[in-house]
Amino acid sequence: NAGVTQTPKFQVLKTGQSMTLQCAQDMNHNSMYWYRQDPGMGLRLIYYSASEGTTDKGEVPNGYNVSRLNKREFSLRLESAAPSQTSVYFCASNIGLQYFGPGTRLLVL
Amino acid sequence: SQKIEQNSEALNIQEGKTATLTCNYTNYSPAYLQWYRQDPGRGPVFLLLIRENEKEKRKERLKVTFDTTLKQSLFHITASQPADSATYLCALRDDKIIFGKGTRLHILP
Repeated sequence: NAGVTQTPKFQVLKTGQSMTLQCAQDMNHNSMYWYRQDPGMGLRLIYYSASEGTTDKGEVPNGYNVSRLNKREFSLRLESAAPSQTSVYFCASNIGLQYFGPGTRLLVL
Repeated sequence: SQKIEQNSEALNIQEGKTATLTCNYTNYSPAYLQWYRQDPGRGPVFLLLIRENEKEKRKERLKVTFDTTLKQSLFHITASQPADSATYLCALRDDKIIFGKGTRLHILP
């Protein structure tokens, strides 16, 4: 039982490049979330998926897209990365008690 | 506007003493409030949940109170240890989970 897993752990991109952050959970949770965490800003919700087949915008969705591929997997895509998207990205699952992945550290140059 | 506030300054506590962290919120009526621990380079880990009709919740050396009149939750760690040093986040359930920015706690040996 791995809980919530994220790949990659660390990524460096150039401005304008695209990438997809992967998240998977093996706890059979309906809800999954993507957050970004920046110094002094705390955790901010980017997108969430209340159930398979649905996605909704959170507090800071601009510049991101998501796909809920199935119940287990929820991916976050940056189509054209910008330096302002340099951050630590966390995936989480479950609507109440949230289980977090280990994070992806993204640096956009 | 809606806010969830935690003391942004680090809290230094002598080992063995009780550490008390504060979480205040405005313009929310949360069904429950949660506390998480986050260590550097890791995702948050759930600690305790307290519902609106509960005044106090305990788990080992941890105690959480919830005052819906004051719109405040207090998080106590008794007999604190250096291993308790971490950032502690409060989160409340509105239509989504909303996180505070966290308070860094340092337990000094």
